[in-house]
Amino acid sequence: GESVGLHLPTLSVQEGDNSIINCAYSNSASDYFIWYKQESGKGPQFIIDIRSNMDKRQGQRVTVLLNKTVKHLSLQIAATQPGDSAVYFCAESNDYKLSFGAGTTVTVRA
Amino acid sequence: KAGVTQTPRYLIKTRGQQVTLSCSPISGHRSVSWYQQTPGQGLQFLFEYFSETQRNKGNFPGRFSGRQFSNSRSEMNVSTLELGDSALYLCASSSPGSDNEQFFGPGTRLTVL
Repeated sequence: GESVGLHLPTLSVQEGDNSIINCAYSNSASDYFIWYKQESGKGPQFIIDIRSNMDKRQGQRVTVLLNKTVKHLSLQIAATQPGDSAVYFCAESNDYKLSFGAGTTVTVRA
Repeated sequence: KAGVTQTPRYLIKTRGQQVTLSCSPISGHRSVSWYQQTPGQGLQFLFEYFSETQRNKGNFPGRFSGRQFSNSRSEMNVSTLELGDSALYLCASSSPGSDNEQFFGPGTRLTVL
């Protein structure tokens, strides 16, 4: 079946550096792609989404890039902070259903 | 505005028993979704309800069922529990027209012994 997946399970980044988290997807018919953040002991938290007819969207310190040609999604976090340490999931939205990737654990080094 | 609440937060059951989990969405949200999260399978979609109607269902056996009430509160039930049902069960709600921005509760941690 089709699924959403992440390239790397873990990412270690120095505080203040930029982080890039990648995701490959296979369902080219998805309308939206979304990034969620999950901190320990909490449910996932919405970060940003991007519609399939866009290639870039910016939020506060975050940018999502969508490359439909190679079915690739990325999340860029600027000036990574200790509070950014969490598990990041990409997801695709279809028919009121979110399909999540496996997640990337981001650890911020002081 | 209060967030999504789930009860109970922790639950221990034995194989063969059944369990009912409850979710109260954010006030004004009419869509409620349920997900199962395990280390091996990650986050998997169970079902979604809107105005008491199930609009989509994931690939789970019929032992997993749910419903939504007129006040948008939702319950999910798992019958004949198996060891593999041990997981974090997450509920999420969203407002009309914002299905992508789902607000998740803290989850119910179910352990099946």
